[in-house]
Amino acid sequence: ILNVEQSPQSLHVQEGDSTNFTCSFPSSNFYALHWYRWETAKSPEALFVMTLNGDEKKKGRISATLNTKEGYSYLYIKGSQPEDSATYLCAFPGNAGKSTFGDGTTLTVKP
Amino acid sequence: GAVVSQHPSRVICKSGTSVKIECRSLDFQATTMFWYRQFPKQSLMLMATSNEGSKATYEQGVEKDKFLINHASLTLSTLTVTSAHPEDSSFYICSASSTANYGYTFGSGTRLTVV
Repeated sequence: ILNVEQSPQSLHVQEGDSTNFTCSFPSSNFYALHWYRWETAKSPEALFVMTLNGDEKKKGRISATLNTKEGYSYLYIKGSQPEDSATYLCAFPGNAGKSTFGDGTTLTVKP
Repeated sequence: GAVVSQHPSRVICKSGTSVKIECRSLDFQATTMFWYRQFPKQSLMLMATSNEGSKATYEQGVEKDKFLINHASLTLSTLTVTSAHPEDSSFYICSASSTANYGYTFGSGTRLTVV
């Protein structure tokens, strides 16, 4: 059983604050790490696929970094907006495409 | 982009009845569909992997006779919860891989309540 952990479990910030959260995963046999954004009543939306140690990817105000040697990835949101409120999931794809998910970080951005 | 349509979004059924959940890939062929279940305050847990034209493979602890999976075409996979019990109440969601999208494309999920 793979151990994929996310912290914190929930986060409440004010509009305009920048924030970040963590996904930790097994550092051995690394293949890729996926980040998803999951809004209530919608499908999880793929944000990033991280593959290389030291990778940094950006999509608008959201960016992610990857450290495969120590087994963690950070997701950053700059200048949070209420529409950023969602649960952010990381997933560690394993054998035959089976993904192990973290529990998610639920972000609430207050106007 | 790739879209997976999942229906129904919510269903309430009586104990002992069966419920079918459908996932359709709308603009791509999904040779493999993954079915997940999520209990409150827990992460998505893989139940089974559905491959078009062959038997599904189930994760340890998931009863294949209770959770029937059919993947008869490249665009449709179904999960049938047979003889549902209140403990089957959960959130069920499917996902499929697509070369047109990063990661996997998810359906919108089905909230099953068994009363």
